[in-house]
Amino acid sequence: QVQLKESGPGLVQPSETLSLTCTVSGFSLTSYGVNWVRQPPGKGLEWMGTIWNDGSTDYNSALKSRLSISRDTSKSQVFLKMNSLQTEDTAIYLCARSRPDNSFDYWGQGVMVTVSS
Amino acid sequence: DIQMTQSPASLSASLGETVSIECLASEDIYNNLAWYQQKPGKSPQLLIYYASSLQDGVPSRFSGSGSGTQYSLKINSLESEDAATYFCLQDSEYPFTFGSGTKLEIK
Repeated sequence: QVQLKESGPGLVQPSETLSLTCTVSGFSLTSYGVNWVRQPPGKGLEWMGTIWNDGSTDYNSALKSRLSISRDTSKSQVFLKMNSLQTEDTAIYLCARSRPDNSFDYWGQGVMVTVSS
Repeated sequence: DIQMTQSPASLSASLGETVSIECLASEDIYNNLAWYQQKPGKSPQLLIYYASSLQDGVPSRFSGSGSGTQYSLKINSLESEDAATYFCLQDSEYPFTFGSGTKLEIK
């Protein structure tokens, strides 16, 4: 069955780089895109970016200068790297699979990332 | 960016009732709208895609409608398991944007 699972550090220092991994199973990254979405405490969801089945990427312009999404298809993993973290980047980070119509059909449970010294 | 205005923010209804949740887009999103259900501590579950298409495995009590800038999710014959937060997603234009969510309480 389709599963996505996020992993990464729970605590990151301000100004440092966040590295997260989304490990997927039940489908191939060469057939489906994967999105990163985040939700700060008490706030709404924010789409961060997508890596498509062909390896191309699209980013939220608000984050584009700090964000990179990549993948390792052999390991069924998608990576998020975001630099220059600030306290406002504290959030639950989730990955989600893209359907062909671009909606997200399967989501991971998310990982809480706190930016604090 | 396309703004998604979702209403109401919260809703309380009784078992067996019918409720509707609305999402208003700041511009035409051409039916590129999905609805999700999320329970505490759980992943969001896709209910409806392309405005009105029911995701496999989702009960037919859930339905979506709308066009242009106005979309709605209707839940018929409420059951206790429907207590959750519901939100919409527009995937018509980058950046994809979400509604702020509706918390549904079952009395």
